[in-house]
Amino acid sequence: SQTIHQWPATLVQPVGSPLSLECTVEGTSNPNLYWYRQAAGRGLQLLFYSVGIGQISSEVPQNLSASRPQDRQFILSSKKLLLSDSGFYLCAWSAGTGANVLTFGAGSRLTVL
Amino acid sequence: AQSVAQPEDQVNVAEGNPLTVKCTYSVSGNPYLFWYVQYPNRGLQFLLKYITGDNLVKGSYGFEAEFNKSQTSFHLKKPSALVSDSALYFCAVRDRRRGSQGNLIFGKGTKLSVKP
Repeated sequence: SQTIHQWPATLVQPVGSPLSLECTVEGTSNPNLYWYRQAAGRGLQLLFYSVGIGQISSEVPQNLSASRPQDRQFILSSKKLLLSDSGFYLCAWSAGTGANVLTFGAGSRLTVL
Repeated sequence: AQSVAQPEDQVNVAEGNPLTVKCTYSVSGNPYLFWYVQYPNRGLQFLLKYITGDNLVKGSYGFEAEFNKSQTSFHLKKPSALVSDSALYFCAVRDRRRGSQGNLIFGKGTKLSVKP
């Protein structure tokens, strides 16, 4: 069966420090991968998605970047965090699009102080 | 424009009573519709989806949703609410625009509170 792992679960970082959140998927190949941010426990904002190794699409301009160095690995990064980067970050995967279900990781809570 | 609306920020229900969480959508072509649930500090969990066929879709934990094409709605329902159903519920529609990757468009979420 397929599983998705996301870490760290919780992170407290000072303003201006770098960030790296990692997501890996097991039990499937060539998944579509996604990073979402959820602010204030509500709406979801799609940040990045990837349909293959090295292929990253950005939905909104921001202080963050994403990379997919391996088929089932998706990394969210920042060189210098801002206060506004605080939030709950969710990784997800799907087997293509269409009617396929999006499966989410458990999330990473980032607090920037 | 492709969009999803959840008109209620919060729904309060007494345990044992039926519940409805509303969702309306706007999308070109036939919609692919989804419901997800999120418990505090957790990722979203898939509940059910509508692709085609029977307008009443049954999903996890006793939930069901009714697709209504004329009203462009996909309301989530459960005949008898449990306190453990208290969570944040998201409706989503697949982006069918040409050139999109078919990503999901999520509503803003509805907080369901079930009281004993």
